[in-house]
Amino acid sequence: EDQVTQSPEALRLQEGESSSLNCSYTVSGLRGLFWYRQDPGKGPEFLFTLYSAGEEKEKERLKATLTKKESFLHITAPKPEDSATYLCAVQAGTGFQKLVFGTGTRLLVSP
Amino acid sequence: NAGVTQTPKFQVLKTGQSMTLQCAQDMNHNSMYWYRQDPGMGLRLIYYSASEGTTDKGEVPNGYNVSRLNKREFSLRLESAAPSQTSVYFCASRLTSTGDTQYFGPGTRLTVL
Repeated sequence: EDQVTQSPEALRLQEGESSSLNCSYTVSGLRGLFWYRQDPGKGPEFLFTLYSAGEEKEKERLKATLTKKESFLHITAPKPEDSATYLCAVQAGTGFQKLVFGTGTRLLVSP
Repeated sequence: NAGVTQTPKFQVLKTGQSMTLQCAQDMNHNSMYWYRQDPGMGLRLIYYSASEGTTDKGEVPNGYNVSRLNKREFSLRLESAAPSQTSVYFCASRLTSTGDTQYFGPGTRLTVL
């Protein structure tokens, strides 16, 4: 069964304190790994898609990387506006329609 | 370009009442999805429509029905609401049925008393 585990569940950082969020997955034939940001009371907002091990993507203070078993979302010098829940999802080779989501990491960045 | 829109934003029902959640997208996407999000659980797929005229069950379809009204609109119906259906419901769409990004609406927060 396809599975996604995100860690930590919650992370508190000081402004400027860099860190990484982890998404480990077990799937049969990865077709894509997606990162979303979700603010309270809002829908998930797309950040990145990664398709193969070794791939990296960057957007402002965020960088996503992918290996064969996990993905990392690196946050460099975060600001309070980066506070949100970050969701990871995978799409596997069997059942193209379905994204399997992790439960997310709640990030709080204090000024 | 509004993206994916959902109505209503909030709803309170009594057990046994029925209601329909509406979703529309203006991105000319072919595939549309309904998810529910509960505390401590990831987003779970209820139903999806790979293209206009088709619908299929997802992971948690019991107690729900859907209608793909046209290419733009995909509705979710609760025929007889139960407290276990208290959740936040999200609609999503994507261009094709495979591989590319799903874009989400703002959600409907439903409480069933």
